[in-house]
Amino acid sequence: AQSVAQPEDQVNVAEGNPLTVKCTYSVSGNPYLFWYVQYPNRGLQFLLKYITGDNLVKGSYGFEAEFNKSQTSFHLKKPSALVSDSALYFCAVRPQAGTALIFGKGTTLSVSS
Amino acid sequence: NAGVTQTPKFQVLKTGQSMTLQCAQDMNHEYMSWYRQDPGMGLRLIHYSVGAGITDQGEVPNGYNVSRSTTEDFPLRLLSAAPSQTSVYFCASSYGPTGYEQYFGPGTRLTVT
Repeated sequence: AQSVAQPEDQVNVAEGNPLTVKCTYSVSGNPYLFWYVQYPNRGLQFLLKYITGDNLVKGSYGFEAEFNKSQTSFHLKKPSALVSDSALYFCAVRPQAGTALIFGKGTTLSVSS
Repeated sequence: NAGVTQTPKFQVLKTGQSMTLQCAQDMNHEYMSWYRQDPGMGLRLIHYSVGAGITDQGEVPNGYNVSRSTTEDFPLRLLSAAPSQTSVYFCASSYGPTGYEQYFGPGTRLTVT
């Protein structure tokens, strides 16, 4: 079965430190990969995506993600966390030949001052 | 652009009642979808549409109906509400079903008693 795993329910970092939110996937073929962020009582907002090309993708608000085909991972990173980055982050995968977007269960990022 | 709009924001239903959640987008997107978000389960696809007049089932379609008579609107109908349908519902749209990011509405929080 095709799936997306976000192994950490919560990630805690101090402001100014680098952050990583992990995502691994299990789909056939070469999927499209996405990260979304959700602030409390809001809809999801698109952060970045990988379609093809350079494995390091840069997105909104200083976030970036690295696609690793051999490890089937697409970890979200930021060099210096802000308190305002605290939110719920979702990794999502769309199999290239399909139309359904498969979401991970989400990781809550908490950045302390 | 208003983006993706959803009404109502909140709704309480009694078991067995029916209702329609409204979704509209003004970006001329062909692809629209409905998700439900439950704690610890991420987002799960209910139904989607690749264009006016075309709809298909997602992962959890039971108890829900959709129609797509125009490009702009994609209402979700609950036929006979059950407590298991208590959730937050998100509508999303995108230019296409594969490599394009989705734009999400603000959500409808539904409680079925």
